[in-house]
Amino acid sequence: SQQGEEDPQALSIQEGENATMNCSYKTSINNLQWYRQNSGRGLVHLILIRSNEREKHSGRLRVTLDTSKKSSSLLITASRAADTASYFCATENTNAGKSTFGDGTTLTVKP
Amino acid sequence: KAGVTQTPRYLIKTRGQQVTLSCSPISGHRSVSWYQQTPGQGLQFLFEYFSETQRNKGNFPGRFSGRQFSNSRSEMNVSTLELGDSALYLCASRAGTGNTIYFGEGSWLTVV
Repeated sequence: SQQGEEDPQALSIQEGENATMNCSYKTSINNLQWYRQNSGRGLVHLILIRSNEREKHSGRLRVTLDTSKKSSSLLITASRAADTASYFCATENTNAGKSTFGDGTTLTVKP
Repeated sequence: KAGVTQTPRYLIKTRGQQVTLSCSPISGHRSVSWYQQTPGQGLQFLFEYFSETQRNKGNFPGRFSGRQFSNSRSEMNVSTLELGDSALYLCASRAGTGNTIYFGEGSWLTVV
């Protein structure tokens, strides 16, 4: 089974609204990374947050990490139609340094 | 700095054939990983190479293999192709453990 699991599987919102996606994982991690994927394309890196960090910002993106709950959230504020994509979290395992991905959240932003 | 480059971008193969996909990592990156992505399955980890050595391996049959060359370029090979191998194969590179992973655009493989 995958290390990271995103929730919800699908999210549909109106332009201008905020979108929140969650990621849960099972084992100890070095870091957690969030990615965006447009249909049929490669993954684009958004943010890396290390296990000793609690929150990071990048433009309209805000990522939080709660290692006690083994969970992370990605918040996209003031969403745009161009934010329509699938979003994945990837966790790097402390044991082997291997990164595993969840199944992603499909975000649809309606204009 | 050039990104991760994968070739070919699209290919069609027949069941039973074999295929080789190529990946050039970002300059200076010694770690290359491969993932398989099928609709509704997310990204499945295939393997990771670091300095020509396989460091991690996913849960795929032996038909899937890979290698890394001294210049960090990597290839993956799938032998005796099956219809279920149709997928987007993604290559990613990073400088090392703990660093950001960068992806290529992927190779779309269709097995008919």
